[in-house]
Amino acid sequence: EAQVTQNPRYLITVTGKKLTVTCSQNMNHEYMSWYRQDPGLGLRQIYYSMNVEVTDKGDVPEGYKVSRKEKRNFPLILESPSPNQTSLYFCASRGLGTDTQYFGPGTRLTVL
Amino acid sequence: EDQVTQSPEALRLQEGESSSLNCSYTVSGLRGLFWYRQDPGKGPEFLFTLYSAGEEKEKERLKATLTKKESFLHITAPKPEDSATYLCAVVGSSNTGKLIFGQGTTLQVKP
Repeated sequence: EAQVTQNPRYLITVTGKKLTVTCSQNMNHEYMSWYRQDPGLGLRQIYYSMNVEVTDKGDVPEGYKVSRKEKRNFPLILESPSPNQTSLYFCASRGLGTDTQYFGPGTRLTVL
Repeated sequence: EDQVTQSPEALRLQEGESSSLNCSYTVSGLRGLFWYRQDPGKGPEFLFTLYSAGEEKEKERLKATLTKKESFLHITAPKPEDSATYLCAVVGSSNTGKLIFGQGTTLQVKP
């Protein structure tokens, strides 16, 4: 089944404790992206990657890092999480020649 | 600045009562307009992509249309299982592929 997977689905952590949210897709998509969703603010792009080793900032990159060492994986790294990063995070991917992105199931992160 | 505005914020319908959701957009060089359905706590589920004014797409009880300034998602004879938040998004010519989302319309269909 073609899909985007994320882990963990739920995470409660404390301020300053480094964490990684993994994202993997099995559709051989070149483009991958991270969004966060907050009440009243909607979905906003954090980072995106056009292909392996090619990443760039989205609209709200502060406090986040990403890497793209393999085509299928695009982890989101929070080096020192803060409470304002409490949010619902989605990974998405799309193939070449299309603008339609497919989303993962989401990761709900709470930073205390 | 690229922007998407959806209305209404919330919509309550009786089963079988048809209606439309609106998505107004401003974008530099529209590459595509997208409709997604999102159930609580889940990821957005792709519904439609529209590329040019006049284009229409249909899927079951849903029909999406596009003009140069807005898109409509028409829901014909809705059922309770159509209850969800419907998100509209655009991609402009910036070539980053970023989706610009509206705030969504939360639809509740009562039996």
